[in-house]
Amino acid sequence: DAGVIQSPRHEVTEMGQEVTLRCKPISGHDYLFWYRQTMMRGLELLIYFNNNVPIDDSGMPEDRFSAKMPNASFSTLKIQPSEPRDSAVYFCASSLASGLNSPLHFGNGTRLTVT
Amino acid sequence: KNEVEQSPQNLTAQEGEFITINCSYSVGISALHWLQQHPGGGIVSLFMLSSGKKKHGRLIATINIQEKHSSLHITASHPRDSAVYICALAGGGADGLTFGKGTHLIIQP
Repeated sequence: DAGVIQSPRHEVTEMGQEVTLRCKPISGHDYLFWYRQTMMRGLELLIYFNNNVPIDDSGMPEDRFSAKMPNASFSTLKIQPSEPRDSAVYFCASSLASGLNSPLHFGNGTRLTVT
Repeated sequence: KNEVEQSPQNLTAQEGEFITINCSYSVGISALHWLQQHPGGGIVSLFMLSSGKKKHGRLIATINIQEKHSSLHITASHPRDSAVYICALAGGGADGLTFGKGTHLIIQP
């Protein structure tokens, strides 16, 4: 298996632009997580899905952030409009049916820079 | 909210040394993960444990549920072990994982 695939690897955009991050989880994994990593706050959970359904989005910073999982093999995280403080590395991870008590498999992350 | 404390924050050691990284938490959990993040940024899951001890190659992870404490040990450390090691908690009343701030490990040749 190719593992969790994220795209793009790097994204540089101007403040106010829309940004879309993409994730393909490992086939057969029922849980998908979006995390954000910054120097100040470390890793933070933004949202997670179980069987394509959002379960907890309390970590999403504000209404500018939205995430979707239209099918079992694809998820997006969208920021509209983007702001400089959104600059971070965004990780997608997936795991098997038991979710939090299963090993997590991380993608390589998307490094977002908003100028 | 579960408080996670990792120690040390930074550790520099010589190749071959035995390394110990500690993780303490305040609320009971269902599982604890040890993650490794290399300078390139990718994150790899090393261990997931809910009791006892696990070993993989030169890495050993232990957890004491009663004392709310876990340790990650590296035997015969090597420069390629240089990375950030992150402790993450599952359960304890929170959805998702609660992450420690990480231990920056540098192994010098």
